[in-house]
Amino acid sequence: GAGVSQTPSNKVTEKGKYVELRCDPISGHTALYWYRQSLGQGPEFLIYFQGTGAADDSGLPNDRFFAVRPEGSVSTLKIQRTERGDSAVYLCASSPRPLRGPDEQFFGPGTRLTVL
Amino acid sequence: AQSVAQPEDQVNVAEGNPLTVKCTYSVSGNPYLFWYVQYPNRGLQFLLKYITGDNLVKGSYGFEAEFNKSQTSFHLKKPSALVSDSALYFCAVRDMEYGNKLVFGAGTILRVKS
Repeated sequence: GAGVSQTPSNKVTEKGKYVELRCDPISGHTALYWYRQSLGQGPEFLIYFQGTGAADDSGLPNDRFFAVRPEGSVSTLKIQRTERGDSAVYLCASSPRPLRGPDEQFFGPGTRLTVL
Repeated sequence: AQSVAQPEDQVNVAEGNPLTVKCTYSVSGNPYLFWYVQYPNRGLQFLLKYITGDNLVKGSYGFEAEFNKSQTSFHLKKPSALVSDSALYFCAVRDMEYGNKLVFGAGTILRVKS
């Protein structure tokens, strides 16, 4: 079946602009995660959704970052007033039943964001 | 707080030789441990996980990992390396009692030379 998909694959924007990054999880997966991976580092957790609600947003770096998942499937990560330091690969992952066990997370290919 | 250390930035091994990629972790409670592999321009791919039970876990592509509670380690191993194993490897930990957040190490580049 189809895996996790993310669009766009690449996004170049100017400092101060607003961007939206989209994630389509695997069908039927209730949990969705956003991570950010900077060059030479491992992915860093941003936010976790269980269904439509954000169960843990402790990784969002500041209030310029916001994410939604209105229907419990597709999610959008929104970044306002982008800064050069926001440049990174943004990864989305989903898993089937996180509250019932240690399911592995399935990752999408990522969106490479470059802020000029 | 959870943390993962991958002490080697890069591991070099000859094709056909055994390989080990090291990982140590820290959690408050009991850990769930994972290994992922990342190929250039591709997403992270799940290799294997430790939940409970047998300390030796077998995963995809002939990889295995050994959980050692006393040393808080979860080293990735393969008896005979292939050139195609060359990639970036990440170890990750999740605290059993503390939600679903995965904490990743910085990654180890594995280079297998023919």
